[in-house]
Amino acid sequence: QQPVQSPQAVILREGEDAVINCSSSKALYSVHWYRQKHGEAPVFLMILLKGGEQKGHEKISASFNEKKQQSSLYLTASQLSYSGTYFCGTEYIKAAGNKLTFGGGTRVLVKP
Amino acid sequence: DSGVTQTPKHLITATGQRVTLRCSPRSGDLSVYWYQQSLDQGLQFLIQYYNGEERAKGNILERFSAQQFPDLHSELNLSSLELGDSALYFCASSVSEPGTEAFFGQGTRLTVV
Repeated sequence: QQPVQSPQAVILREGEDAVINCSSSKALYSVHWYRQKHGEAPVFLMILLKGGEQKGHEKISASFNEKKQQSSLYLTASQLSYSGTYFCGTEYIKAAGNKLTFGGGTRVLVKP
Repeated sequence: DSGVTQTPKHLITATGQRVTLRCSPRSGDLSVYWYQQSLDQGLQFLIQYYNGEERAKGNILERFSAQQFPDLHSELNLSSLELGDSALYFCASSVSEPGTEAFFGQGTRLTVV
């Protein structure tokens, strides 16, 4: 089952903040976040594990709410380089060879 | 460079034809995932192989098939191609331990004319 991302798109001015949410109807083991620039491959940002800590990558951080089966990605003091499409990927069980399913993506455009 | 190699990078073919996309995973990675990304759309999970065996199937058409070979490279076969099959096809690989990241290849852009 595919996780649901919101919003679908966001436009920011450089220096502004944004939050992207990723929700699942099933219990999650982990949430992965990737960023994809137009025409390029998705690039890994971070993973959050059930029972794990909040992670950070530059000024991009994320949290994992196990009760709500939801993860949020925080873009703080956004930079032009943050533009792209952000995907969350989910694993539902702790097992080798897990399926990794992605949400529909959130397009982020950071303007000067 | 993610270490995942996909060939070819671009493919243009006619409707009704059959093509094979190839993926070489990172050294040591046991899982290979295939995803389809239509123009400006999300990553649609097609199929996953783990150590040579099919592990999970997504919304993969019957005209599509895949396999993973003993050396762990994988091939995605697309047959009876239609215009709507035009898309970017990504392969990703991981060591497959729970909670470890997947690394994506650069993709194969398929154009069906």
